[in-house]
Amino acid sequence: QVQLVQSEAEVKKPGASVKVSCKASGYTLTESSIHWVRQAPGKGLEWMGGLDPEDGETIYAQKFAGRMTMTDDTSRDTAYMELSGLRSDDTAVYYCATNFQSNLLWGQGTQVTVPS
Amino acid sequence: ETVMTQSPVTLSVSPGERATLSCRASQSVITNLAWYQQKPGQAPRLLIYGASTRATGVPARFSGSGSGTEFTLTISSLQSEDFAVYYCQQYNNWLSWTFGQGTKVEIK
Repeated sequence: QVQLVQSEAEVKKPGASVKVSCKASGYTLTESSIHWVRQAPGKGLEWMGGLDPEDGETIYAQKFAGRMTMTDDTSRDTAYMELSGLRSDDTAVYYCATNFQSNLLWGQGTQVTVPS
Repeated sequence: ETVMTQSPVTLSVSPGERATLSCRASQSVITNLAWYQQKPGQAPRLLIYGASTRATGVPARFSGSGSGTEFTLTISSLQSEDFAVYYCQQYNNWLSWTFGQGTKVEIK
């Protein structure tokens, strides 16, 4: 079964960093790009960035450039998203997603909470 | 960056009626367009991909159409479980996606 499995919820202090993982199951990570999307409470879906695991190319939404880093470990079929300088408005559910062979797949989401 | 604009922001519809939601792209995305449904406290659910292909398990009352820059999601006869927020998403670029701001379908 093709799926993306994300790491567990995190609570972080303001100014800290968080690293969320996303493991590809049922396919090889390098077969498709990985994207990160977040949704803050009561808000819409916000695309954060995309990573090509085959060559490491990345594109970041302007809002997150400089504060977000996407990486991968192809030996573990796992992608990572690290967000630094956390603020209370970074409290959100963070999703990884991919378009694998014309199938749009999402991870289950990771809640990141930054208390004010 | 491809900007996705959904209209209307809110759509008030009576159960059994037809609902038509629109999504416009600032540049052509061909048919690399998806629609999602989201209910409170739940993750987005994929309804349509490739502009018009229903995802597995999606009822036939949901249909998508369009290409290029203009897209439509139609719900032929609204059921109580269809009242939710709907998002369109373009995935035309390998590494750059964007979402519309959402349309809330509420009970009239």
